[in-house]
Amino acid sequence: DVKVTQSSRYLVKRTGEKVFLECVQDMDHENMFWYRQDPGLGLRLIYFSYDVKMKEKGDIPEGYSVSREKKERFSLILESASTNQTSMYLCASSLSGRGVNEQFFGPGTRLTVL
Amino acid sequence: DQQVKQNSPSLSVQEGRISILNCDYTNSMFDYFLWYKKYPAEGPTFLISISSIKDKNEDGRFTVFLNKSAKHLSLHIVPSQPGDSAVYFCAASAPNTNAGKSTFGDGTTLTVKP
Repeated sequence: DVKVTQSSRYLVKRTGEKVFLECVQDMDHENMFWYRQDPGLGLRLIYFSYDVKMKEKGDIPEGYSVSREKKERFSLILESASTNQTSMYLCASSLSGRGVNEQFFGPGTRLTVL
Repeated sequence: DQQVKQNSPSLSVQEGRISILNCDYTNSMFDYFLWYKKYPAEGPTFLISISSIKDKNEDGRFTVFLNKSAKHLSLHIVPSQPGDSAVYFCAASAPNTNAGKSTFGDGTTLTVKP
């Protein structure tokens, strides 16, 4: 059974704190993604990675960075958290290969920045 | 510029009737489309997909139709069941994109009433 896990379901941080969101997948997928979900805005891609140490900016990378040191783990970093980063964060992974493969999502981390 | 749009934020149908969820896109380079379903407090899960070489794909109660000339796709659920109540996201991918990344719509909340 495929699995994507995220380190926390709920997180409360203060403005200016450095925040780490961890994501681990056990499917040996090459691709990993970080999204945020906000009401009325759907899923917006923050960063993605198609190989270890490889990363690309998504649609809304400002204020975020990522790290992928191992194939199974993809971390999202908020260098200095701000209140407008309060959101639901979703991690996903997918296989590489021919065509487009569906993404498998984790349960999400609801981050509140006070 | 929102490339994938789901213009109906919500839809309510009676159990046993047909649910039709719509999605429009603007990028003519998109050639693969996916639908995901999301329950509260869970990550999205893949539902069904369609390639641009087809105009219809069916999987049990779920059928996706693609009208390339209109840049429009729809998801039909027949018959609708209360367990289908969820948020449905449409997603689109262009060929030769790193990691096969997808662009998501805002989502449509489907409520199926018993």
